[in-house]
Amino acid sequence: GEDVEQSLFLSVREGDSSVINCTYTDSSSTYLYWYKQEPGAGLQLLTYIFSNMDMKQDQRLTVLLNKKDKHLSLRIADTQTGDSAIYFCAESIRGSQGNLIFGKGTKLSVKP
Amino acid sequence: NAGVTQTPKFRVLKTGQSMTLLCAQDMNHEYMYWYRQDPGMGLRLIHYSVGEGTTAKGEVPDGYNVSRLKKQNFLLGLESAAPSQTSVYFCASSYTFEQYFGPGTRLTVT
Repeated sequence: GEDVEQSLFLSVREGDSSVINCTYTDSSSTYLYWYKQEPGAGLQLLTYIFSNMDMKQDQRLTVLLNKKDKHLSLRIADTQTGDSAIYFCAESIRGSQGNLIFGKGTKLSVKP
Repeated sequence: NAGVTQTPKFRVLKTGQSMTLLCAQDMNHEYMYWYRQDPGMGLRLIHYSVGEGTTAKGEVPDGYNVSRLKKQNFLLGLESAAPSQTSVYFCASSYTFEQYFGPGTRLTVT
């Protein structure tokens, strides 16, 4: 079945780059997403990438997709304390009526 | 434009009690979803709806029922609450590929 895996924790210093990694198993993924969840809040879509793309850049965020290895990464440049949150990787599968498969989330801690 | 709202924000139930969680969206989205989030488990899909009057089971539907009588509302019901249903419940809606999430309902069953 479908599965999305992420490491659970990442700690970086303010100003450094953060790289959050994700692997997925279903090769029929159409879109892959990164969501951010701040404490006590819902999920907010950060960015997404269509499965026929290799890279997408949006200001401080860079998404890399390696379809051969089924590996997705999110790089946050110049990480700030306000970036501290849980980051979820998710995939949507062709024919799944928009349903998303989520990873367990990576908790990013940014130290000043 | 409120987006996706959820009522209530918090609730404590005793085992065996029933309750209904309400999700409302004002974006005219066709698709709506109910998820539960448990520590270390990510989000798991309970039920979803692809339009008014339709519902379908997700990954973890047991113990829950849903209804979508109006396009803007998606209700999640617990007929007989169990401690295993202690969780944070999120509703989401979408038109295309982007899902918009509500702020969540924290439910504790004692």
